Amino acid sequence: GAGVSQSPSNKVTEKGKDVELRCDPISGHTALYWYRQSLGQGLEFLIYFQGNSAPDKSGLPSDRFSAERTGESVSTLTIQRTQQEDSAVYLCASSWDRGSEQFFGPGTRLTVL
Amino acid sequence: GENVEQHPSTLSVQEGDSAVIKCTYSDSASNYFPWYKQELGKRPQLIIDIRSNVGEKKDQRIAVTLNKTAKHFSLHITETQPEDSAVYFCAASINTGKLIFGQGTTLQVKP
Repeated sequence: GAGVSQSPSNKVTEKGKDVELRCDPISGHTALYWYRQSLGQGLEFLIYFQGNSAPDKSGLPSDRFSAERTGESVSTLTIQRTQQEDSAVYLCASSWDRGSEQFFGPGTRLTVL
Repeated sequence: GENVEQHPSTLSVQEGDSAVIKCTYSDSASNYFPWYKQELGKRPQLIIDIRSNVGEKKDQRIAVTLNKTAKHFSLHITETQPEDSAVYFCAASINTGKLIFGQGTTLQVKP
């Protein structure tokens, strides 16, 4: 079946602009995660959605970052007033539930000029 | 919060040799420890995981060991092959929610 998909695959924006990144999880997966991977670095947790529970936003680096999820489907990560330090690969993952393997999408490479 | 340290950052071995990557974690409540392999330009993929109720798990040439007392876990790859070359990430989780990752180990297997 289809895996986790993300769009766009690449995004170049100017400093100060807002961007929206999209994640389509595997159908039926109740848990959805966003991570950020800076060049040559590990993955940094951003936010986690599980079913209808309140999301765990503990990893969001500033109030410029927000995310939404519609039911158990698509999620969007929004970065307002982008800064150069926001440049990274943003990875989405989903799992059947919080106790299951996380499957990653291909990522969105964000470049802020 | 949880912190995961991973060593070494780079590892070079000859084909056929073994490779060992070590991670330590800070939160004793962590109970799930996956390992991901990420090839250049690709997404991370789970290769093996272990939960805190076992001390060792093996899958063909890959094994993971967990020492809860010392709060460290290790990945062992035997009979390495060139296709094992990649970046490997360890992670820790409490109740298998969000993953806290180590900084990664770049493994190079020389033919």
